[in-house]
This record gives sequence, C-alpha cells and structure tokens, in this order.
Amino acid sequence: AQRVTQPEKLLSVFKGAPVELKCNYSYSGSPELFWYVQYSRQRLQLLLRHISRESIKGFTADLNKGETSFHLKKPFAQEEDSAMYYCALNSGGSNYKLTFGKGTLLTVNP
Amino acid sequence: DVKVTQSSRYLVKRTGEKVFLECVQDMDHENMFWYRQDPGLGLRLIYFSYDVKMKEKGDIPEGYSVSREKKERFSLILESASTNQTSMYLCASSPWAASYNEQFFGPGTRLTVL
Repeated sequence: AQRVTQPEKLLSVFKGAPVELKCNYSYSGSPELFWYVQYSRQRLQLLLRHISRESIKGFTADLNKGETSFHLKKPFAQEEDSAMYYCALNSGGSNYKLTFGKGTLLTVNP
Repeated sequence: DVKVTQSSRYLVKRTGEKVFLECVQDMDHENMFWYRQDPGLGLRLIYFSYDVKMKEKGDIPEGYSVSREKKERFSLILESASTNQTSMYLCASSPWAASYNEQFFGPGTRLTVL
C-alpha cells in the first residue's frame, strides 16, 4: 500500500530563513509526487509536481528515490508562504487517485 | 480557468438526516473526487468517479454514497448523518488518464452534524 509521511505537523521559521518541509513516501514502483498548498481562506491548489522539475514561488522539490523522499525547499522564506502544505503521491498508470500526507502548517514570522 | 464549485460553504444538519453535497465542474473533466479534510489527518479520499455512472470507493467510504448522473456533477450523500461526519468536505476534478495531471479543488463545504 502506498503511504505519504509528513513528519512535522507544524513548522515555524523567520522571514528570510531557509525552509524545508519533509515528505517521505512508501511505494515500490515509480510514483508521481506533488506538493499542494492551501493558503488561509483559499482552496487547495497545486504548488508543484516532480515531473515538471520547475520552481514555483521560489520553491523546489527533488525526488530522491533512494531515500524515498520529496522534500520541499525554499532558500528564503517569505511571510506570504505561510500556509498548509500537503505532499501527495500518485502510483501512476491508470490510477487517478492521490494519496495525501497529513500536512505541515508553515508559519513564517516577520 | 477551471472552476469547481460546491453547493454550500457551510451546512448544519442533525443526526440521522440525509445530507446531499453537490459539486460541479465546468472543464469537462472525466475524474471527480470527494475528500474529507480533518486537522491532523490530512485529506482522505471518500469516493471517486472516472466516468458518468462509474464510481470507486476510496479509503473511507463507510457511511457515504455518491452519484454521478452527468459528467459535470458529482454528489456526495450521507445516508444518515452522524456526529463523526462533522468535517470539511472537498470536491476535486482532473482530466482523464495521465497520473501527473493536477487535481482542481472546490472551496469546500464545512458540515456540522449536531
């Protein structure tokens, strides 16, 4: 069975500090990994997906198959980054389902 | 711009009532999903549908049923609401096939069962 683990429920950093939100997954095949974000009073939305290998809002995430991790990183956090972040996994193929982690609430303090 | 709308932002029902949550998407997506979102538990998939009249159970289907009579509309039904179904319910849709396709979410319905 596939599983996504986000070990930190809460993460608090100061503005300008680096931030890393951890995500580990359990799946034996080749997964598709995503980060979704929910800002206060907004709907859940895609932040980035590993297949795109892109940087969104200064965030990057690298899929490490050896460590089965997909950590989200940003070198300099901004106050507007404060939000709930969810890591999600799709097992690929014709499977449309996403398995979500429990989420990490990031607070960036001024 | 993809739009996923949900019929209510807030809903208060009594134990034992039958509850309908409606979701509509306007992008001709094949896949639609219902999740519940609870603090500390993240998002958990209740049911999903990959075509009209087709449905599959997610991880927590007990106490719920769904209906998809038209491609754009996906309904979640609580046959007999219970207090442990108090939660935020999120609907989502995505295009068919590719596993890396983004899911688009609605604003959510916060259901309180008294």
